[in-house]
Amino acid sequence: EAGVAQSPRYKIIEKRQSVAFWCNPISGHATLYWYQQILGQGPKLLIQFQNNGVVDDSQLPKDRFSAERLKGVDSTLKIQPAKLEDSAVYLCASSPGLSPDTQYFGPGTRLTVL
Amino acid sequence: QQPVQSPQAVILREGEDAVINCSSSKALYSVHWYRQKHGEAPVFLMILLKGGEQKGHEKISASFNEKKQQSSLYLTASQLSYSGTYFCGTPHNSGNTPLVFGKGTRLSVIA
Repeated sequence: EAGVAQSPRYKIIEKRQSVAFWCNPISGHATLYWYQQILGQGPKLLIQFQNNGVVDDSQLPKDRFSAERLKGVDSTLKIQPAKLEDSAVYLCASSPGLSPDTQYFGPGTRLTVL
Repeated sequence: QQPVQSPQAVILREGEDAVINCSSSKALYSVHWYRQKHGEAPVFLMILLKGGEQKGHEKISASFNEKKQQSSLYLTASQLSYSGTYFCGTPHNSGNTPLVFGKGTRLSVIA
């Protein structure tokens, strides 16, 4: 069974630029999560989708971050414009159902904002 | 509210035991444990859903004390492969709500 796929794996941009990350969850998984993990911290949820609907986006900085999950499968997370403090690893995870449920994480995208 | 993990870091020699604690000031409805090796994604270890529940995964086990609002992860006879950062995650409310992860406990096992 293929795992959660993410791309790109690494991205370096300058502040005020825009960036987009892509995630393809495990086939058949209804729930998709985007997390931000700053060095030395635990993952922090940005947004949770069930199928193509948003379950929770209370911690998503909506003035600069946006996410979509069209057709309830893959998802993109965008940052526009980026700030220095957005430097982090962005993790995508999926699970068959809603919490509590095992989450399967992708390899992440390491973003560096200069 | 973010659960609190202790200790922040621990160094063990192979074969030694360790305990990692996860506690919350709010009621715990379930506790999820993950391990993340350096530069890799977190990997699921186990979920504890009920107070008093105990589970095991290889030589790693966990308990959940609902009354004390805490969970403990026990690593016995540690191996080099156990090195990594251990996170506990708890839903911030009852029902199907997202997890809030602690800051993690960094475990280093040396030969």
